[in-house]
Amino acid sequence: DQQVKQNSPSLSVQEGRISILNCDYTNSMFDYFLWYKKYPAEGPTFLISISSIKDKNEDGRFTVFLNKSAKHLSLHIVPSQPGDSAVYFCAARETSGSRLTFGEGTQLTVNP
Amino acid sequence: EAGVAQSPRYKIIEKRQSVAFWCNPISGHATLYWYQQILGQGPKLLIQFQNNGVVDDSQLPKDRFSAERLKGVDSTLKIQPAKLEDSAVYLCASSLDGWKFFGPGTRLTVL
Repeated sequence: DQQVKQNSPSLSVQEGRISILNCDYTNSMFDYFLWYKKYPAEGPTFLISISSIKDKNEDGRFTVFLNKSAKHLSLHIVPSQPGDSAVYFCAARETSGSRLTFGEGTQLTVNP
Repeated sequence: EAGVAQSPRYKIIEKRQSVAFWCNPISGHATLYWYQQILGQGPKLLIQFQNNGVVDDSQLPKDRFSAERLKGVDSTLKIQPAKLEDSAVYLCASSLDGWKFFGPGTRLTVL
């Protein structure tokens, strides 16, 4: 039962262009969503988050959009840089607890 | 500030052997988590400690996996006996105010 899904295992974009990573969820009890970035041989690091009471959160080049009715969120990176190349995990948390449910991850490659 | 430390970084064992992983969380972080990340999947929570007490171990395969956090600081995760499907990266994370910080993980290969 995969409650958080990232349907694209990989994404390749050119430097300077926009990267859009998508995530879908099924559990309506999720009320907080996070994106983590993971480089090889390192643990995931927190990137950006959004509460279910918002539909957009922006931090520098990173913006997360939440569409609650569609149970969909996306991470936009503009402009993309080669250093952004990593695996990006979407994660969600229920109102009642601190357990995070992760998606499968999307490998982003930004080509110079 | 030092991050979450884990050792070993890599481990290769044969099936039916035992293995143990160690985690040292960020100083002062009361909550500690162990995640299992199988290749091609996202991290899955195995167990969560609050100080030295278990908060959530509902996804821990208790017939072969065990974890402890004596004294509420360091933690060990043990697998006994290991199976082929246990091959994964085992991530430790700690948090203070809900923000999780992950360690680099231990990559386990079971042959």
